[in-house]
Amino acid sequence: AQSVTQLDSQVPVFEEAPVELRCNYSSSVSVYLFWYVQYPNQGLQLLLKYLSGSTLVKGINGFEAEFNKSQTSFHLRKPSVHISDTAEYFCAVTPAGSSASKIIFGSGTRLSIRP
Amino acid sequence: NAGVTQTPKFRVLKTGQSMTLLCAQDMNHEYMYWYRQDPGMGLRLIHYSVGEGTTAKGEVPDGYNVSRLKKQNFLLGLESAAPSQTSVYFCASSYPGEQFFGPGTRLTVL
Repeated sequence: AQSVTQLDSQVPVFEEAPVELRCNYSSSVSVYLFWYVQYPNQGLQLLLKYLSGSTLVKGINGFEAEFNKSQTSFHLRKPSVHISDTAEYFCAVTPAGSSASKIIFGSGTRLSIRP
Repeated sequence: NAGVTQTPKFRVLKTGQSMTLLCAQDMNHEYMYWYRQDPGMGLRLIHYSVGEGTTAKGEVPDGYNVSRLKKQNFLLGLESAAPSQTSVYFCASSYPGEQFFGPGTRLTVL
């Protein structure tokens, strides 16, 4: 079975500062990893995904994440945040090749941007 | 191309009432899902379907039923609503490697 831990429930940062949202996972098999963003009163939207290949994955809105197999981590980063990045971010994992039928979500990290 | 749509957007029920949430997708995806989202708990899978006519239980199936009579639709039913079912419900559909989410239904059970 897989599990996901998002280490921070809330992350406050100042506008234009860098940010890192942490995600660790547990799995006995190879995995696919995802970051989703949820803006207020909306559904989830895919930011980026790691399926295979390069461990540095670039997503939308200037976000990127690095898959680290030895540390079982998939941290999300952005070098300079904007007010519009205020949202909740979810890390998710599924067994590789599983057709996404068993995606497990973390509990979410609420990113708040201060002007 | 509307993606994944959900109806209704909001609903208030009294304990013991029943209702059905409708999810529709126009991407020809085989897989569809129902999740509930509660504060601090992320998304929890209620039921899912791997194709027309099939359904399977997820992490928190009790108190809910589902049907997938048509490939594009996935219905979530509450036969006798309870206050513990107050939540935001999300539908999703997928192809291998990614899920697409609807905008959600906010349900309050009094």
